[in-house]
Amino acid sequence: GQNIDQPTEMTATEGAIVQINCTYQTSGFNGLFWYQQHAGEAPTFLSYNVLDGLEEKGRFSSFLSRSKGYSYLLLKELQMKDSASYLCAVSPAYSGAGSYQLTFGKGTKLSVIP
Amino acid sequence: ETGVTQTPRHLVMGMTNKKSLKCEQHLGHNAMYWYKQSAKKPLELMFVYSLEERVENNSVPSRFSPECPNSSHLFLHLHTLQPEDSALYLCASSQDTQENEQFFGPGTRLTVL
Repeated sequence: GQNIDQPTEMTATEGAIVQINCTYQTSGFNGLFWYQQHAGEAPTFLSYNVLDGLEEKGRFSSFLSRSKGYSYLLLKELQMKDSASYLCAVSPAYSGAGSYQLTFGKGTKLSVIP
Repeated sequence: ETGVTQTPRHLVMGMTNKKSLKCEQHLGHNAMYWYKQSAKKPLELMFVYSLEERVENNSVPSRFSPECPNSSHLFLHLHTLQPEDSALYLCASSQDTQENEQFFGPGTRLTVL
């Protein structure tokens, strides 16, 4: 089966650094995504990792360890607008019939406080 | 703006009503998806279409009926829904089903009374 775990909620201070962890157990692995979702809005793509290591993109970085089934999203120089839910999603494997599926975690609601 | 639009943004319906949700993508993508997002639950994939053909149906009740008339439009027809079907319904698209990055619409907030 597929299982993706991430913390339900986190709180951090404006200007600080926060790390949101995600662990997964899936049948096969074809990549891990992080999405940001503001309340009442669509999820938007943040990052994609398929190889081990750290991918940096501005204030956001994402790390992957396939052997540990572990990823984290690192947000630096937090801003109030970073308050949102952060969704971890795994593409387990080619599922046949021409499709890849994304399996999502429940999301981590991040609150940035002054 | 992600290039994926959904209408209506909010919908309230009774259990005996019939309604439809509409999704349109302006990205030239070939794959489109319906997801259900309930409070405190992960996004659940409902249907996947590739080049207007359904390729995945994740055991969704028949009271949800998708339609994909062309690669830019996707509908979700609703009839005799239950209160537990109240949720945010998200549409997404990707270049094709082998391209993992999906672009999401803003969703339709559905309330079933």
